[in-house]
Amino acid sequence: QQQVKQSPQSLIVQKGGISIINCAYENTAFDYFPWYQQFPGKGPALLIAIRPDVSEKKEGRFTISFNKSAKQFSLHIMDSQPGDSATYFCAASRETGRRALTFGSGTRLQVQP
Amino acid sequence: ETGVTQSPTHLIKTRGQQVTLRCSSQSGHNTVSWYQQALGQGPQFIFQYYREEENGRGNFPPRFSGLQFPNYSSELNVNALELDDSALYLCASSLVSNEQYFGPGTRLTVT
Repeated sequence: QQQVKQSPQSLIVQKGGISIINCAYENTAFDYFPWYQQFPGKGPALLIAIRPDVSEKKEGRFTISFNKSAKQFSLHIMDSQPGDSATYFCAASRETGRRALTFGSGTRLQVQP
Repeated sequence: ETGVTQSPTHLIKTRGQQVTLRCSSQSGHNTVSWYQQALGQGPQFIFQYYREEENGRGNFPPRFSGLQFPNYSSELNVNALELDDSALYLCASSLVSNEQYFGPGTRLTVT
């Protein structure tokens, strides 16, 4: 059972545009929602994370929007740059007990110059 | 402060063999998690170790086993390798919160 669904599978954005990636989760026990960025041949790098007590978190050009009632969260990349071209994964976990990350299937972002 | 390191970088094994992968956690991190990432997919949780004890396991068979040492480094052992075990194996370390920091991974190819 896939507990975190991610869309789209791939995304092409022009330089300077906004990239939007969406995720939906099923397990209401999840209370920690990070986003990871992965370049080819590298491990995932933690980008930004949110907890359900806030609806939005912004760090530089990256913003997470969180809708607890809809069980959805999204990543917005403002002023997208060619260097942002990578695969992005959303994830979810519990902060107590077994803190295993459940990942989405990934979104391959390509930012065209 | 050093990040998470993993060894080896690449490994080729034959079906039926056994393999050991190693991970050094980020300085001060007492929790290590292992994930399997098949090509084109998101990482899948294998298990987690906290202070040398297994602290949760994903949907992987018993031939996947692990250890954590007093210095918080860790090993992942896989017995009776199958072709489907070919993947990138990732180690992640964390401290109190669930901010998990990943290493570069070990690419395992089973032929």
